[in-house]
This record gives sequence, structure tokens and C-alpha cells, in this order.
Amino acid sequence: NAGVMQNPRHLVRRRGQEARLRCSPMKGHSHVYWYRQLPEEGLKFMVYLQKENIIDESGMPKERFSAEFPKEGPSILRIQQVVRGDSAAYFCASSPPGRLSYNEQFFGPGTRLTVL
Amino acid sequence: RKEVEQDPGPFNVPEGATVAFNCTYSNSASQSFFWYRQDCRKEPKLLMSVYSSGNEDGRFTAQLNRASQYISLLIRDSKLSDSATYLCVDYGGGATNKLIFGTGTLLAVQP
Repeated sequence: NAGVMQNPRHLVRRRGQEARLRCSPMKGHSHVYWYRQLPEEGLKFMVYLQKENIIDESGMPKERFSAEFPKEGPSILRIQQVVRGDSAAYFCASSPPGRLSYNEQFFGPGTRLTVL
Repeated sequence: RKEVEQDPGPFNVPEGATVAFNCTYSNSASQSFFWYRQDCRKEPKLLMSVYSSGNEDGRFTAQLNRASQYISLLIRDSKLSDSATYLCVDYGGGATNKLIFGTGTLLAVQP
């Protein structure tokens, strides 16, 4: 059973370009989360999605950032017009369905975004 | 005040030592807490859950003090392989399901 997959693992963009980060959850998992880890900082929650629905986007910057989890295919985190401050590691996590108690979130290896 | 606060360290200890990490949280309504481990440039992985009654897993013991809003992790007989960053995590729960991470405590076990 493959774990959470993210690609690309490393992404380099120039200021003003777009970055698209992909996440395939573990088999059987329908909940996806995105977290960002800035250099020397802890992981910060960005967004929580289920298939075709954004459940909580309270951690997403108001501009330039968007996320989706379509019915088919991976979840996508999209950053438009990137700036140097967007350079960070972006981690995706997934968990199985069910809300009775905490379901462990399994993390992918992350995408390290560098903005030149 | 940060939602989850940890001493960043680093903690430099010799092999075989016992080391303790502390963490405080600000949301008195929080119900669940965890310790995650993150190796350098890797993803975080769940180490153990934290319960008020204490939780022991081999050399690792986690404790929660709700009155003081304080969480601890004790590692006995440290191994070189324990070197990592230890993340204290508050599970937001409710409708959001999000994890709230501390900035982590760096442990370096020396031979």
C-alpha cells in the first residue's frame, strides 16, 4: 500500500511564475490536508479538503493560493505569481473517512519550493 | 501567544541519557495531543498520542496536565537514532480536523 505521494519533490520557480503542487492520498483516504513549513518554523495548516469540497481553508493566504481535490486525480495546491516568501516545504497529509475520533494524518514527503 | 509553544533546543545529550521535552498549549478546550517526530528534511511522523493518564511506549513516555495546559515527552536510554526534531501537536478537532504544530525541539544524541 503506497503512502501519500507528492510531486514534484523539488520545484524551482522565478518570481511571478505559477507553482502547481500535486498530492495523491493513500488508498482509501478521502481527506486531504496541506501544510506549509517555512524555514526555521513549524508546520502551519493551510487547507482541508474532501473530494470536490473545501472543508476548511482558514490557513490559506487570501490571495494567489488555491487548492482543489477533484473527483478524479490528485489534490492540487496552486500558487500564482510566486514571491520569494513562498519558498518553503509544502506537505500534504491524508486520513481515512470517519469523524468519530482522530484519524491519523499520514504525511507525504513534501514538495520543496524555491522561488528565485 | 502561540497556540503551541516548545523550547526549540537544541538538546545535546550523550547516548544512554534521559531527556525530557515540554510543551504548553493555549486552547483550554483542546482535547487531543500528539508527539510527532521529524527527521531533517523529511515529513513528520506520528510518534505517540498523549493522554491525561500518561502513555508509555517502550523508552518513550508522554504526559498531559490539563490544569497547567502542559505536555511532556520523556525519552529514556537515548539512542543515536533518536536524533530528530520532536513536534508537539494540538489536534484542533471539531469541524476542522487540523493539526496545530509547535515549532519543534531539536534533539542531538552524541556518541
